[in-house]
Amino acid sequence: KQEVTQIPAALSVPEGENLVLNCSFTDSAIYNLQWFRQDPGKGLTSLLLIQSSQREQTSGRLNASLDKSSGRSTLYIAASQPGDSATYLCAALSGYSTLTFGKGTMLLVSP
Amino acid sequence: EAGVTQFPSHSVIEKGQTVTLRCDPISGHDNLYWYRRVMGKEIKFLLHFVKESKQDESGMPNNRFLAERTGGTYSTLKVQPAELEDSGVYFCASSRQLSSTDTQYFGPGTRLTVL
Repeated sequence: KQEVTQIPAALSVPEGENLVLNCSFTDSAIYNLQWFRQDPGKGLTSLLLIQSSQREQTSGRLNASLDKSSGRSTLYIAASQPGDSATYLCAALSGYSTLTFGKGTMLLVSP
Repeated sequence: EAGVTQFPSHSVIEKGQTVTLRCDPISGHDNLYWYRRVMGKEIKFLLHFVKESKQDESGMPNNRFLAERTGGTYSTLKVQPAELEDSGVYFCASSRQLSSTDTQYFGPGTRLTVL
């Protein structure tokens, strides 16, 4: 049974800092690893999707890496901004339909 | 393109009552998923429809939960009778295909409170 763990549970940084969010998963037989963002009272917004054959994906100031063999993924946010404040969720796709989520990292970027 | 919509956004009911949640997927998306997040826990998969057929319902907690997708368009999730532990946020998601490259698009969720 797949389990996904995210560290840290919460993170508070001043604006402009680079930061790393960590995600680990127990079963390496995944089809992809996805990072989502959730704002309070809103749904989940997909940020990056890394296929199992890929090592990383980039979108703007975001970079996500995947190491299947060690069961780890990281989300790197460069030059953080107050608008980045949200909960970031990591999810592993198994069986083509089932996403297994971590509990998330709550990020606060202060001006 | 309109996103995934869910109705209602909030529902407060008493234990023993019945509640029906609705999800409208993105037009053209054959795959529809239900997830749930209870307080303090991670989002968990409930079930997956391909068109009107249940492809995987391994995450459904018990037989008080009934999901339908008549006609392969919108879906409903009925909880009858509701219990206190059913409180949480119910998310619906949809995707066009089943592939390693196709992301699931999530709705805003329905917050259910059972008193």
